[in-house]
Amino acid sequence: ETGVTQTPRHLVMGMTNKKSLKCEQHLGHNAMYWYKQSAKKPLELMFVYSLEERVENNSVPSRFSPECPNSSHLFLHLHTLQPEDSALYLCASSPQGNEQFFGPGTRLTVL
Amino acid sequence: GENVEQHPSTLSVQEGDSAVIKCTYSDSASNYFPWYKQELGKRPQLIIDIRSNVGEKKDQRIAVTLNKTAKHFSLHITETQPEDSAVYFCAALRSVFKTIFGAGTRLFVKA
Repeated sequence: ETGVTQTPRHLVMGMTNKKSLKCEQHLGHNAMYWYKQSAKKPLELMFVYSLEERVENNSVPSRFSPECPNSSHLFLHLHTLQPEDSALYLCASSPQGNEQFFGPGTRLTVL
Repeated sequence: GENVEQHPSTLSVQEGDSAVIKCTYSDSASNYFPWYKQELGKRPQLIIDIRSNVGEKKDQRIAVTLNKTAKHFSLHITETQPEDSAVYFCAALRSVFKTIFGAGTRLFVKA
């Protein structure tokens, strides 16, 4: 285990549902990330938080809403998703923005 | 925008042979280049990295070379083993919080 955990590991939701993904790290890192991993595509950086402030938002649709209440926890709130949002969502943390430590991911399926 | 191109997308080698994966980046301000390995169903994990002030770095059977002038870097795996079979991702960082990943290379090592 790398010290980064994610829940749930699997999630199936309808397009009208609202759900949240959770990420937790106790490595003392000050940066946390959300990535989307789709088959045969590069890892897509969605959000970055540093010291609990969002510093990067790569034009992610508003149906994805991040929240970082403290340096150890990161959430991704989901609502009104589309089937093309089905993917593996990876959380990562980093001590100084260099090596990133990834969580196991949440496999999301949108019906 | 900035991107990282990674080749080949699939690589198949015989056990004991060498494997080389190449990446080219567009942002000349990139200064940190990590390589991650992702085994099937598992999270990406850092295997080696290099900074822009270094041309080559080696760790046992794994080495990375960087050519800043040409803006490309390569991963070299010697004496490949079946457990090296995985997807390998390169990445380039410009700032502390901006990471761009390549699309990944699926490596198969045949016993």
